[in-house]
Amino acid sequence: SAVISQKPSRDICQRGTSLTIQCQVDSQVTMMFWYRQQPGQSLTLIATANQGSEATYESGFVIDKFPISRPNLTFSTLTVSNMSPEDSSIYLCSGGTGGRSPNTEAFFGQGTRLTVV
Amino acid sequence: TQLLEQSPQFLSIQEGENLTVYCNSSSVFSSLQWYRQEPGEGPVLLVTVVTGGEVKKLKRLTFQFGDARKDSSLHITAAQPGDTGLYLCAGPLYNFNKFYFGSGTKLNVKP
Repeated sequence: SAVISQKPSRDICQRGTSLTIQCQVDSQVTMMFWYRQQPGQSLTLIATANQGSEATYESGFVIDKFPISRPNLTFSTLTVSNMSPEDSSIYLCSGGTGGRSPNTEAFFGQGTRLTVV
Repeated sequence: TQLLEQSPQFLSIQEGENLTVYCNSSSVFSSLQWYRQEPGEGPVLLVTVVTGGEVKKLKRLTFQFGDARKDSSLHITAAQPGDTGLYLCAGPLYNFNKFYFGSGTKLNVKP
């Protein structure tokens, strides 16, 4: 299994500013994803972080608001840009080994709790 | 629109009671996974069901995959306070690494 570390674990930010969240995996993973989660609720997929190319965004999420980088197979960043209180949420990084088996497991970081004031 | 709907959304029960959580979709999934998440942590995988009609047991937890692979259930026998958490079903779409998560069931087991 892979261990995923996220930084920061929490932050309180002023509206209009930007925050970059880092995700580090202790082994190479083929796939990395970013999710958003309201406390006690489900996870919503933001985008797939592709190594060496632009991220693939889900409906409702755009690159200008959530730019993502993935310079190598063990690291990715998500930036929440021009923040508003509506961006207050938990942001989770996930990694997968790219297996073709249905038993492929997704590994998650502990999340970054963001509060925008 | 949620691709995977879970019910109930909230469940508060006494220790020792049994409960069932449901995960339903109009789409067919090649597999479904169940995760449990505790506050301040990421989701942790409990089980993967792959074959229609499959039943898997994990101690007091029983998981079932519907025959048509559109739904799944999680049954907990004699619930304990340690079972408290957010339970999420998730299904892969297009590849086995990209998951869409159910709406979640928040379980509270009171001692």
